[in-house]
Amino acid sequence: KQEVTQIPAALSVPEGENLVLNCSFTDSAIYNLQWFRQDPGKGLTSLLLIQSSQREQTSGRLNASLDKSSGRSTLYIAASQPGDSATYLCAVPGGGSQGNLIFGKGTKLSVKP
Amino acid sequence: ETGVTQTPRHLVMGMTNKKSLKCEQHLGHNAMYWYKQSAKKPLELMFVYSLEERVENNSVPSRFSPECPNSSHLFLHLHTLQPEDSALYLCASSQDLWLGGRGSPLHFGNGTRLTVT
Repeated sequence: KQEVTQIPAALSVPEGENLVLNCSFTDSAIYNLQWFRQDPGKGLTSLLLIQSSQREQTSGRLNASLDKSSGRSTLYIAASQPGDSATYLCAVPGGGSQGNLIFGKGTKLSVKP
Repeated sequence: ETGVTQTPRHLVMGMTNKKSLKCEQHLGHNAMYWYKQSAKKPLELMFVYSLEERVENNSVPSRFSPECPNSSHLFLHLHTLQPEDSALYLCASSQDLWLGGRGSPLHFGNGTRLTVT
């Protein structure tokens, strides 16, 4: 059964700092991995979708990497800003069940001005 | 409007009430989903629809009843809920159904915050 773990559960950093969020998954037989952002009381916004054939994806100040063999993905945020404060979730396909994504519990990021 | 729209944003209901959650997507997607997000728990998939046909019911109690009248609209009918059903209910859509773990990005609505008293 696929399980997704995100560490740390919460992170507080000063503005301008570069930071890394971690995601690990137990079953490495995945086709892709997706990173989402969730603001308080809101839905999820897709940030990056990495296919298994890719090692990383970049969007602006965000860079996500995927290492299937070790069951890990990282989300790198460069030059963090207060507007980056949110909960970041990663998700992988559940396999078997159609349309199922297995989510981690997320990392709650707070960037202090 | 663009994206995925959910109404109402907040809902408070008693255990004997009947209410419905509505989701509408303006993206031309073929697949729609209901997810439940409870405090301190990961998102849980509830139902999946592809081209208006239900393809997944993830062991959800019968007090939750989905309806997909067309590819743009998805409803979640609620009746005789329990306080533990209080959660954020999120609707999502994707261009096509995730099959065998392959799929296009999911687009989520802002959710309905449900409180059962």
